[in-house]
Amino acid sequence: AQKITQTQPGMFVQEKEAVTLDCTYDTSDPSYGLFWYKQPSSGEMIFLIYQGSYDQQNATEGRYSLNFQKARKSANLVISASQLGDSAMYFCAMREDLINAGGTSYGKLTFGQGTILTVHP
Amino acid sequence: DSGVTQTPKHLITATGQRVTLRCSPRSGDLSVYWYQQSLDQGLQFLIQYYNGEERAKGNILERFSAQQFPDLHSELNLSSLELGDSALYFCASSVDVGETQYFGPGTRLLVL
Repeated sequence: AQKITQTQPGMFVQEKEAVTLDCTYDTSDPSYGLFWYKQPSSGEMIFLIYQGSYDQQNATEGRYSLNFQKARKSANLVISASQLGDSAMYFCAMREDLINAGGTSYGKLTFGQGTILTVHP
Repeated sequence: DSGVTQTPKHLITATGQRVTLRCSPRSGDLSVYWYQQSLDQGLQFLIQYYNGEERAKGNILERFSAQQFPDLHSELNLSSLELGDSALYFCASSVDVGETQYFGPGTRLLVL
């Protein structure tokens, strides 16, 4: 089963406008974390924002905010006042807080397929 | 700059060969993760180490192996390379297992 779903392969936004990138997830684990990463054309993965499953407030980091709706299992990224430099691929990822057979914890990330955002001047 | 370094940036090799990718985590980070990004598979978790100990394995082929050394740097060894191993390989690190993972710039591997 797909654990992270990003239904928008591509999105376009006008410079200075806000844009929402969708992400839905699937887990039965009560403890998990949700992340957004940006991947510009140069290839590096840049961490943007994090939301914990127990956090009561939506996370914000500068122009980025995460619209966390736990009951709907969605974690949409909102970018306000888009800039040309925001053009990139955006990945939603989930970390499930798991325990392996040896009793030690591990926290791999599962990524969605990504959304390519293009900001027009 | 995330503080995670990876070498080399690019690697071109032939089928059947073996290569080693190196990663130095951010100062203070104990956990290292390896991911593979390809066009058909997307971003996939390969393996995780914590303070020298393997913690989890994902979709890592038997031809691939990794280790984390006492100085916390990590190496990913890819052997008997096939065309399909061509991908961008990322290393990420975090302070602890449940913390945010910061990614290195990646190593772009091309197998000809």
